[in-house]
Amino acid sequence: GAGVSQSPSNKVTEKGKDVELRCDPISGHTALYWYRQSLGQGLEFLIYFQGNSAPDKSGLPSDRFSAERTGGSVSTLTIQRTQQEDSAVYLCASSLKGRENSNQPQHFGDGTRLSIL
Amino acid sequence: AQTVTQSQPEMSVQEAETVTLSCTYDTSESDYYLFWYKQPPSRQMILVIRQEAYKQQNATENRFSVNFQKAAKSFSLKISDSQLGDAAMYFCAYRNRGSTLGRLYFGRGTQLTVWP
Repeated sequence: GAGVSQSPSNKVTEKGKDVELRCDPISGHTALYWYRQSLGQGLEFLIYFQGNSAPDKSGLPSDRFSAERTGGSVSTLTIQRTQQEDSAVYLCASSLKGRENSNQPQHFGDGTRLSIL
Repeated sequence: AQTVTQSQPEMSVQEAETVTLSCTYDTSESDYYLFWYKQPPSRQMILVIRQEAYKQQNATENRFSVNFQKAAKSFSLKISDSQLGDAAMYFCAYRNRGSTLGRLYFGRGTQLTVWP
């Protein structure tokens, strides 16, 4: 597709369950980012993938959060043993090179709204 | 660490009028990029305008323009001839230039209401 695609659009799950959120970036974009947006807050950086380099996981809030990017394209964000404070909108973005071309804007998906009951 | 502050949680403007959204930031870097993103209820973050810190000229995109004051670390967004479709949450964002990590630092946003 033309833009960043995220699925599911909405996810409701019970506390303690694991969830997987998917992001399909724009074709050709080597950089991929995950952000979290809690109610009334700005976007909080979670993790960044650049090509085949090791991801920067410095924004992940706990070891319950993990992410992978297979084949340098699709990424999956996994949250294990979900807690109510994990409820938020999870946004994925992609861009051309995240280093040398850092002026390249990030293109965002529509996000996944995660609700933990 | 870089921080971005938007001091106006909410703003409103009459259709066809002009409104200015404020943003300040804190950084020890001399070269960086600044952005304004718009987020309508659809949740998608849409890039409105961007500014390179090394450029003195303020960026403009049609009805949108910025007032970039590097010394004051201020980056305000002016929307002229406001339209109903401009109603959204607006986020100011910062990004280091040439950084190995291209992450954006966001403010908390300003909710803009446009009255007919």
